This record gives sequence, C-alpha cells and structure tokens, in this order.
Amino acid sequence: GESVGLHLPTLSVQEGDNSIINCAYSNSASDYFIWYKQESGKGPQFIIDIRSNMDKRQGQRVTVLLNKTVKHLSLQIAATQPGDSAVYFCAESKAAGNKLTFGGGTRVLVKP
Amino acid sequence: ETGVTQSPTHLIKTRGQQVTLRCSSQSGHNTVSWYQQALGQGPQFIFQYYREEENGRGNFPPRFSGLQFPNYSSELNVNALELDDSALYLCASRPGGVRGDGEQYFGPGTRLTVT
Repeated sequence: GESVGLHLPTLSVQEGDNSIINCAYSNSASDYFIWYKQESGKGPQFIIDIRSNMDKRQGQRVTVLLNKTVKHLSLQIAATQPGDSAVYFCAESKAAGNKLTFGGGTRVLVKP
Repeated sequence: ETGVTQSPTHLIKTRGQQVTLRCSSQSGHNTVSWYQQALGQGPQFIFQYYREEENGRGNFPPRFSGLQFPNYSSELNVNALELDDSALYLCASRPGGVRGDGEQYFGPGTRLTVT
C-alpha cells in the first residue's frame, strides 16, 4: 500500500514499552477530540475519543489526556506491540457530529 | 473493517478531466463526509451530506461537488482536475444526523493521481 506519512515526525519504541504521542490543537472552541490510527493503504481507524469536560479517558491499552489550558492532547499506548506501528492522527471538532480538523500526524515504529 | 466501502481503489486522470468517486456508507449511517488526504498530511474536510443535501463545507472550490442518494451512499465529483488534486480521498459515515452523536467510520479511500 501507499505510504501515509513520508515526512511525519517519527516515534521509535521498543516492543513492550509504553508510547506517548502528543498533539497540539488549535481551536479553543473545540469540544470533542479523537485519536485515529492509520495503517498503510487503509483509512483512519478510530482509537479513542474525549470530550472537553473530561481530562482523561481510558480504553483498552490506550489512555487519552486532555489539557485545555495549553490546548494539548496526548495518547498513551501501554505495552506497545508490533501491530501498533502506524501513523497516528489527533482530530478536533466543535461537537461529535461536526467536521473533523486533523493534526499533522506522528508515525510510530515498534522495534522488536 | 468499518463497513464503509469506496470505489475505485486507484484512479489515474489527466489534468483538466473530471472524476467521480463513490462511497457506500455503513449500514444505518445517514451522514457521509468526504476528506482529502495529501501524501504525508492529515485528512482535510471537504464537505458533509445528510438527507441528500450538503451540510457543511471546508475550504474547497466549487469544482468539488457531491451527491448523496436515498440509500445514503454518496459520490464526490471533481471537475477540471489539477495536479494538486492528487491525493487519497476518504469517505466517512456515521449515524445520528448532523447534530447526532457517533464516531465517524472511514473507508479505505480512493487514491487519485492527476498527471
């Protein structure tokens, strides 16, 4: 498949370690934030979301943290696995049903 | 897989030509959005369709147009293709209407190359 992120910042992580991916968002009026994972040749895949009235939300092996004061979003992946290798995008919107504005993306490479 | 399908998978067109891309939304999803993803960048919102009408548009010129059909499937049409239109075009569907809740499910995309 085609390469999704030719010039994206890259995070190299050892298999089994935890990964932290950061994102700065731009619109202080945004109310809904999402992390997507995109593998080569595929569309973005929903990972986890969070609303602006929360500062932390946990899923299976993933945690999203939201700091509205500095407009910062992070995704933590516990015990990173080879299947986690992909490009990760944060996205924001004014509401859950509104258009998504995506950040630039981070490529995660998991080393065996 | 999300249940959102797109066709064709790949397409090569010449500058100045017109193209139509197709999307079948996930069953029960009545809202469809289209995004353009240039190589190495995040997707950019083109427009959204609900009940066969455009509802929300990003910063794209009028030569980008769309349709939604009664079965909620959708088309993206691009006229007078330019080299910069080369990108991955993504369709996303979700339930709930324009004010509804629900995560967006993306299709695999159509890779358009304009030469």
